[in-house]
Amino acid sequence: KAGVTQTPRYLIKTRGQQVTLSCSPISGHRSVSWYQQTPGQGLQFLFEYFSETQRNKGNFPGRFSGRQFSNSRSEMNVSTLELGDSALYLCASSPPLSSGANVLTFGAGSRLTVL
Amino acid sequence: GQNIDQPTEMTATEGAIVQINCTYQTSGFNGLFWYQQHAGEAPTFLSYNVLDGLEEKGRFSSFLSRSKGYSYLLLKELQMKDSASYLCAVRDQNYGGSQGNLIFGKGTKLSVKP
Repeated sequence: KAGVTQTPRYLIKTRGQQVTLSCSPISGHRSVSWYQQTPGQGLQFLFEYFSETQRNKGNFPGRFSGRQFSNSRSEMNVSTLELGDSALYLCASSPPLSSGANVLTFGAGSRLTVL
Repeated sequence: GQNIDQPTEMTATEGAIVQINCTYQTSGFNGLFWYQQHAGEAPTFLSYNVLDGLEEKGRFSSFLSRSKGYSYLLLKELQMKDSASYLCAVRDQNYGGSQGNLIFGKGTKLSVKP
């Protein structure tokens, strides 16, 4: 069973640019969550999508946005990049609640460097 | 506010036992998770506690006390490959079936020495 796939794995951007990151969840998982990981703050929740709808949102500015497609794949976008946006962006998927499981499975992440 | 505390770093010897503590203060509680993260890799799930007590899974055990807002991860018979960061996370809500929002501690970097 394939895991959570994130692309690209590494990217470098300059301040003011925008970036789009992609996440393909485990087959059958309809919930996709996004996290930002930095050395100073650890993992912080960005947002969660389920059935193409944003179900939950963390405390990030509106420059951070996301969406989910009908096949459960998700993208997140960061506009007007700032130096502080340099981080590892992790995507996680989880199975239906009806399955009884509550575990998030993470992808390997997309490492963004803003210069 | 929401707060999860765990030690920043720990060092232990191969073959020994180490306990990593986690204390939390959250507005709600709907389960506590431990994840392991090797440098440059994805966090991987280790354990889940929602009721008080000890959950054992091979060399790893996790304990929860909800009244004290406290958990620990116990690693036995340490191996070099256990050198990693260990992340404590709490799910503080279950609104409308939402399960993706975990509040993470900053992680404990464990170094296992020969």
